Amino acid sequence: DSGVTQTPKHLITATGQRVTLRCSPRSGDLSVYWYQQSLDQGLQFLIQYYNGEERAKGNILERFSAQQFPDLHSELNLSSLELGDSALYFCASSVSGGDETQYFGPGTRLLVL
Amino acid sequence: AQTVTQSQPEMSVQEAETVTLSCTYDTSESNYYLFWYKQPPSRQMILVIRQEAYKQQNATENRFSVNFQKAAKSFSLKISDSQLGDTAMYFCAFMKRRGGATNKLIFGTGTLLAVQP
Repeated sequence: DSGVTQTPKHLITATGQRVTLRCSPRSGDLSVYWYQQSLDQGLQFLIQYYNGEERAKGNILERFSAQQFPDLHSELNLSSLELGDSALYFCASSVSGGDETQYFGPGTRLLVL
Repeated sequence: AQTVTQSQPEMSVQEAETVTLSCTYDTSESNYYLFWYKQPPSRQMILVIRQEAYKQQNATENRFSVNFQKAAKSFSLKISDSQLGDTAMYFCAFMKRRGGATNKLIFGTGTLLAVQP
């Protein structure tokens, strides 16, 4: 157990819908990262937050957004869902977001029908 | 841009044997980190080992060790005394050394390792 929690574990929804994925980092970690794992794109970095502020953006679609709250948990919002958004979404956390190791949560498996 | 290549999509090894997974990377950076993560059937991403590029000594963690060849940009993972629980997808990952508060992992495509009884 990495200490990073993610909810829900599984999510099934329809095209056009909106979902919210939640992540709680390890105790003491200030930085949260979101990654997407799909069959065709592999593991890709989406976005990073540090102590409530956005720090880096990767290949994140405009339909996707995220935030980190004062208690340091983070939410990834996916809207206008398409079939191609079906993937495993991971949250990872690290102490300060610099050169430390990132520890991953168990992931949320999203299936868009 | 950095890239990470894992040229072995699948590998198989007998229990108790030794297996080596390959990884090469491309970067113009001189300071960086390399990682191996394991993803078992549960899909959890688990850190196996980490290597700092500025350290010449190869990292080891129990049965897991790496062969880091900086000039060749090669970072292979050796698993000794393979166990059934080692069956998983293994990802090689690269991270620039920034020293700041922004960073990300760049992953290879993975090697699926099957340990046979």
